[in-house]
Amino acid sequence: NAGVTQTPKFRVLKTGQSMTLLCAQDMNHEYMYWYRQDPGMGLRLIHYSVGEGTTAKGEVPDGYNVSRLKKQNFLLGLESAAPSQTSVYFCASSPHGLDEQYFGPGTRLTVT
Amino acid sequence: LAKTTQPISMDSYEGQEVNITCSHNNIATNDYITWYQQFPSQGPRFIIQGYKTKVTNEVASLFIPADRKSSTLSLPRVSLSDTAVYYCLVGDIPSSRGNSGGYQKVTFGTGTKLQVIP
Repeated sequence: NAGVTQTPKFRVLKTGQSMTLLCAQDMNHEYMYWYRQDPGMGLRLIHYSVGEGTTAKGEVPDGYNVSRLKKQNFLLGLESAAPSQTSVYFCASSPHGLDEQYFGPGTRLTVT
Repeated sequence: LAKTTQPISMDSYEGQEVNITCSHNNIATNDYITWYQQFPSQGPRFIIQGYKTKVTNEVASLFIPADRKSSTLSLPRVSLSDTAVYYCLVGDIPSSRGNSGGYQKVTFGTGTKLQVIP
């Protein structure tokens, strides 16, 4: 039982490049979330999903897109990366709403 | 939207009880209060959650007054391994399926860095 995994762990992008971050969970959770964490700050919600095939915006959705084609996977896409998107990205899942969330180990993204 | 405020840092000696307070003056009726612990280079880990009054589990207690405008996380007899950042989370996400087109703000506090001293 791996819990929540994130791929990749580290990535460096040039401005304007695109990439997709993959989050996978094996706990059969309905809800999944993408957060970003900047130095010295708390986590901010980017997008979330309340079930397969659904997505919704969080606090800071601009510049990101998401998809939840399979219940166990939640993808975060950056179409045209900007330096302001340099951050650590965390994925999480939970059985219901804002019940106990299980977080992945994070992806450290640097945009130059 | 509920904004949360926590002390930036706290120091405590091993074996002491530590209380960390989070202020959330604009908490909404449907909002729950959840506390997480985060170690460096790791994702946050759930500690405890409550709506009102007092909740206790095997690692912590959570005290929420009647007006719900603040909450206090209590860690009994801390050890060096409790050195971490503690976040207060206030918010609610609707359970309905589908993309409403709106957004929900899930408010993590700025976190309290707890340093446990031998």
